[in-house]
Amino acid sequence: QSVLTQPPSVSGAPGQRVTIFCTGSSSNIGAGYDVHWYQQLPGTAPKLLIYGTNNRPSGVPDRFSGSKSGTSASLAITGLQSEDEADYYCQSYDNSLTVPVVFGGGTKLTVL
Amino acid sequence: EVQLVESGGGLVKPGGSLRLSCAASRFTFNHAWMDWVRQAPGKGLEWVGRIKSKTDGGTTDYAAPVKGRFSISRDDSKNTLYLQMNSLKTEDTAVYYCTTWDDNGVPYWGQGTLVTVSS
Repeated sequence: QSVLTQPPSVSGAPGQRVTIFCTGSSSNIGAGYDVHWYQQLPGTAPKLLIYGTNNRPSGVPDRFSGSKSGTSASLAITGLQSEDEADYYCQSYDNSLTVPVVFGGGTKLTVL
Repeated sequence: EVQLVESGGGLVKPGGSLRLSCAASRFTFNHAWMDWVRQAPGKGLEWVGRIKSKTDGGTTDYAAPVKGRFSISRDDSKNTLYLQMNSLKTEDTAVYYCTTWDDNGVPYWGQGTLVTVSS
């Protein structure tokens, strides 16, 4: 059971927009901690897509954007492309005494 | 840009031990807090543990499933992070990543090393 909650799957047709939500609590996202998003293709390491809630590393297309409100964060992908089909994970930090880094369970994006 | 390269993974029998290494470069390693994160086959990401910089005490913290069996250390003279894994269980089978973040909070990950615990 992941500390951050993501939908197991989302789907969309090429060119469409999809949004993946990541729900936390007052000890992590709600406490104001940064949220990062990763894209993972099969057999590869997670690739940073969004850091600090809404910043894109160099080379990440502006089709990817992040936002946060209250205890939730979201990743939006516009102009969906076939190569966007992958697993997506959110990450944040937690002020609990036991686990300082928390992840969502991952969302499988299928491009129809 | 920050570079992290893990090594040391492999096949080990239940109850056995393994030591992973993470070679760090292109940043000031001795100032960095370093984490290990793992991903079991077909599963999500799981934080394993952390070591702080020596200037911040050099202390370690571990996730409950590995506490007492895993130990994180660092050699700042070699810019290398270690994960000593003892009393390995089949459920420890995973790709293990070392991670850190820069002064702007940007996270960096290595490419990972696979540990398989099986008889």
